[in-house]
Amino acid sequence: DAGVIQSPRHEVTEMGQEVTLRCKPISGHNSLFWYRQTMMRGLELLIYFNNNVPIDDSGMPEDRFSAKMPNASFSTLKIQPSEPRDSAVYFCASSLGVPTGYTFGSGTRLTVV
Amino acid sequence: GQQVMQIPQYQHVQEGEDFTTYCNSSTTLSNIQWYKQRPGGHPVFLIQLVKSGEVKKQKRLTFQFGEAKKNSSLHITATQTTDVGTYFCAGPGGGSQGNLIFGKGTKLSVKP
Repeated sequence: DAGVIQSPRHEVTEMGQEVTLRCKPISGHNSLFWYRQTMMRGLELLIYFNNNVPIDDSGMPEDRFSAKMPNASFSTLKIQPSEPRDSAVYFCASSLGVPTGYTFGSGTRLTVV
Repeated sequence: GQQVMQIPQYQHVQEGEDFTTYCNSSTTLSNIQWYKQRPGGHPVFLIQLVKSGEVKKQKRLTFQFGEAKKNSSLHITATQTTDVGTYFCAGPGGGSQGNLIFGKGTKLSVKP
């Protein structure tokens, strides 16, 4: 089991550029979650999917953020345009649903300069 | 919205001392989960508690769920340097699909 795979591990981009973060959940897990982690705000839920369908995106900061899950084995989180305040570690996690523990990916450390 | 509060924010202990972190919710939780995040790492699932008053042990770690299912604690006996990291509790976020709301975590440092 390869676990939850995220790419890239690190991303440094200039303000205004588009950023795409990728996630491959564990095969068989039907729920996928995107979290953002900062020192100030901790772990914040951005959006989550169940069976590839977005269930709740109320945590998405603003319209610059969008997420898709075109199939059970792939999800993306896109920021366009990126801003310095988007700098954080973005985690993807998957689970078997209610109520089981999450398996987190290694995260993408995003720096917007 | 749903929140889980964790205290303390930081804890510094000497190796061999005990450590406890507490998690509180204003509402009854159907379950509570605990995670550990090593420095530079990602959160790793430790355990889930479901029953009122439940106590579970994992080696030197003891997890408790309050009788009212509004609070929980994690106790580590005789800390080791390998225990260093941030411990998070997480409760259901109100959705029906298993989303979690995480506490801010307790960062544990252990002095050898």
